[in-house]
Amino acid sequence: AQKVTQAQTEISVVEKEDVTLDCVYETRDTTYYLFWYKQPPSGELVFLIRRNSFDEQNEISGRYSWNFQKSTSSFNFTITASQVVDSAVYFCALRVNDYKLSFGAGTTVTVRA
Amino acid sequence: DVKVTQSSRYLVKRTGEKVFLECVQDMDHENMFWYRQDPGLGLRLIYFSYDVKMKEKGDIPEGYSVSREKKERFSLILESASTNQTSMYLCASSLATSGGFNEQFFGPGTRLTVL
Repeated sequence: AQKVTQAQTEISVVEKEDVTLDCVYETRDTTYYLFWYKQPPSGELVFLIRRNSFDEQNEISGRYSWNFQKSTSSFNFTITASQVVDSAVYFCALRVNDYKLSFGAGTTVTVRA
Repeated sequence: DVKVTQSSRYLVKRTGEKVFLECVQDMDHENMFWYRQDPGLGLRLIYFSYDVKMKEKGDIPEGYSVSREKKERFSLILESASTNQTSMYLCASSLATSGGFNEQFFGPGTRLTVL
């Protein structure tokens, strides 16, 4: 069975602080795919990044960065110099076949001005 | 841009009513999905469809059915709505994939309240 754990339920920071969201996954498959989605207050999930299990390179996109470590089964997400617009619920997800995504419970990030 | 639309943003129904939630995507995606989102539980897959008239159960199909008569449209049906089906319902679509790499694109969600 596949499982994604986002242990942080809520994180509150002041603007310009960095914030790291933890994601730990469980799977017995050697081939799998990891995703992060953002859900702003409007409700629509927005795709942020995907990684396959053979690509452990970390990635940076503007103020966003991702740290994938197979040894600890983690795929953590950092927002650098947070802004109010970063306030949202962030979901980590795992896919091991062509269809099904297993989502974590989500982390609500609140950035205060 | 991929666009996934859902027929209603907010819906209020009474216990026992039959409820239809409609989802339409405009990018010719083969796969379509229905999730429900509840606080602390994330998104849970109800049903998905990989082709017209094809459907597969997800993790929580009980109390729901689906219909996919056309490629662009995927309907979720609550045969007899109950209060424990009060939730946010999200539709998604994706290209058919070999390898699971294609991301899913989501609609804005329908917040259903069953009284």
